[in-house]
Amino acid sequence: NAGVTQTPKFQVLKTGQSMTLQCAQDMNHNSMYWYRQDPGMGLRLIYYSASEGTTDKGEVPNGYNVSRLNKREFSLRLESAAPSQTSVYFCASSSRTGLQETQYFGPGTRLLVL
Amino acid sequence: DAKTTQPPSMDCAEGRAANLPCNHSTISGNEYVYWYRQIHSQGPQYIIHGLKNNETNEMASLIITEDRKSSTLILPHATLRDTAVYYCIVRLRTGNQFYFGTGTSLTVIP
Repeated sequence: NAGVTQTPKFQVLKTGQSMTLQCAQDMNHNSMYWYRQDPGMGLRLIYYSASEGTTDKGEVPNGYNVSRLNKREFSLRLESAAPSQTSVYFCASSSRTGLQETQYFGPGTRLLVL
Repeated sequence: DAKTTQPPSMDCAEGRAANLPCNHSTISGNEYVYWYRQIHSQGPQYIIHGLKNNETNEMASLIITEDRKSSTLILPHATLRDTAVYYCIVRLRTGNQFYFGTGTSLTVIP
C-alpha cells in the first residue's frame, strides 16, 4: 500500500514549456486534490476532483489544467510554464465519512521554471 | 478572510508538552477542526481532528473550547522529531476546500 505517489520528484522547465505532473493513490479514495506551496507559505488549492469524472477550481487555478483519468489518477498540466509557477506541488486524496474528511498527501514535486 | 489564526512560531523543550493554539472564530456548527503537520517540506501528515469533544490518539490530544471558537493541539512529550510546521484547518463553507493558512513553526529544543 503505497498511499499517494507523485512523479516526477523534481523538474526544471524553461518558460513556455509544458509538462504534466502525475499523481496516483491506491486507497480507493473518491476525492483528489492538487495544492501548491510557495516558500514560507501554507498550501493553496489549485484544483480538486470530488469524484471520478468531476473537477473543480480551487483558490489558484489560473495557468493549470487537470484530468481525473480514473479513480486512482489525477494529473496536473502546465501548458505554458511561467516563473511564477515555481513551487512545490502536492497531491492529496481523501476519505470522507459524513462530514469528516481526512486527506493523505504525496511527497511533492519540486518545480523550477527558469 | 482567514478562517484560522495561529502564532507563526513557538519553541518547546524536549520532553515537555507542546501546546499549539488556534483561533477559528467563524467556524460553523458542523465543521470539524483538523490538525496536520509538515516536516521539512515533506507532504503534510494528518494528526487529529475533532468536532466538539476533546480527542486523543497516539500522536496528540485536541482540546476544543465549548464555544468552538478556538482549539489547542497538545503534544504531551515533545521530541526533536516533532519539529515541524503545524496547521490548524477548517473546511471552507463553499465547495470542497480546506483552508491551510501559514501554520505554526514548532521548534523542539534539546
